[in-house]
Amino acid sequence: DIQMTQSPSSLSASVGDRVTITCRASQGITNSLAWYQQKPGKPPKFLVYAASTLESGVPPRFSGSGSGTEFTLTISSLEPEDFATYYCQQYYYTSLFTFGPGTKVDVK
Amino acid sequence: QVQLQESGPGLVKPSETLSLTCTVSGASISPNYWSWIRQSPDKGLEWIGFIHDSGFTSYNPSLKSRVTIAVDTSRNQFSLKLNSVTAADTAVYYCARHSNVWPFDHWGQGTLVTVSS
Repeated sequence: DIQMTQSPSSLSASVGDRVTITCRASQGITNSLAWYQQKPGKPPKFLVYAASTLESGVPPRFSGSGSGTEFTLTISSLEPEDFATYYCQQYYYTSLFTFGPGTKVDVK
Repeated sequence: QVQLQESGPGLVKPSETLSLTCTVSGASISPNYWSWIRQSPDKGLEWIGFIHDSGFTSYNPSLKSRVTIAVDTSRNQFSLKLNSVTAADTAVYYCARHSNVWPFDHWGQGTLVTVSS
């Protein structure tokens, strides 16, 4: 199985801050990495695929990078609606999709 | 606009079978891949399995012995059966559509299933 880890597990930030979340895979997954945003009581929302391609409608303040085993999601200037939990997910092995444990972004 | 809606009992007794249905609207269930995913505080987001409209399935090896996913193209629905449930199967269950590049681009709102006597 490919294990996904994320750091930090949580962070506190203010509106306007630049935020970076790291996701690591236990094995190389090329760029087969997606990011999701989840708010309480809601399903995850698809943000990024192929490590760096924004899904249609996702604001450009979000960006993704990385390949192989290390990936990042960056929010260039945090907006009030961005306080949420963020998950990475690998889809390199389509016989077993796996998610990271999440990074909670809350208000400082 | 693609919408998915889970339905089924919110309470299941231990050792019994959890059964859920996902109804898809705003898009045809064909041709696409459709998954079930669950989320619990202990295990986080856990992929359960997917089905293609052709009937091809793939399951999480950790659940494979207990899971069946089926599709009903005439009703634009797909379903999940998980047998011999225990308290560890208590979770919010989501149905989701795979995008054409594999990640999950549309999700249902989720339904909480509690396993308890």
